[in-house]
Amino acid sequence: RKEVEQDPGPFNVPEGATVAFNCTYSNSASQSFFWYRQDCRKEPKLLMSVYSSGNEDGRFTAQLNRASQYISLLIRDSKLSDSATYLCVVNPRTGNQFYFGTGTSLTVIP
Amino acid sequence: NAGVTQTPKFQVLKTGQSMTLQCAQDMNHNSMYWYRQDPGMGLRLIYYSASEGTTDKGEVPNGYNVSRLNKREFSLRLESAAPSQTSVYFCASSEQWLAGGEQFFGPGTRLTVL
Repeated sequence: RKEVEQDPGPFNVPEGATVAFNCTYSNSASQSFFWYRQDCRKEPKLLMSVYSSGNEDGRFTAQLNRASQYISLLIRDSKLSDSATYLCVVNPRTGNQFYFGTGTSLTVIP
Repeated sequence: NAGVTQTPKFQVLKTGQSMTLQCAQDMNHNSMYWYRQDPGMGLRLIYYSASEGTTDKGEVPNGYNVSRLNKREFSLRLESAAPSQTSVYFCASSEQWLAGGEQFFGPGTRLTVL
């Protein structure tokens, strides 16, 4: 079983729509969670960390559900500039590395 | 600050050739990493250096070697390239290993092995 699993999409949504991605992780002892954004043929960049109580950054909301072992990312009022691949990242702390999901592709359509 | 820089940006090798990918960071970070990214596989850790003077294997180390030259520089060497090593290689750094903090990535090296 993969450490981190994501629906690859693609998600094609109109401008202004709300879209949500989920990501599941296998190690229940995982401690740190992140969402990274990767534009086409570019490097990943941190979008936001995910805190236990959930957190919001403008139009972006991240949630953690430890009981079901998933994290989510909600994007409200989608913009064309949100088109990218969103990577879920988990740090189990029991091993020696961060684990990256394969990414969810989002295209926002005019 | 340039952040994390990588050279070269593109490289084509023939099977059996060797090469070194260079990475440098100017953020005074302690930890550095090498990843490869393949379609449908996500980013996979090849080697990491938790701090200057230490290196350890990640998930997919076979066929690679690394050198943490100093705090700034971390190189990845392919001794005898194989077509299976065709990939995009990213170097990254972070302030501390296992601190759960942000990783900063370089722009990547696109490697094709024929």
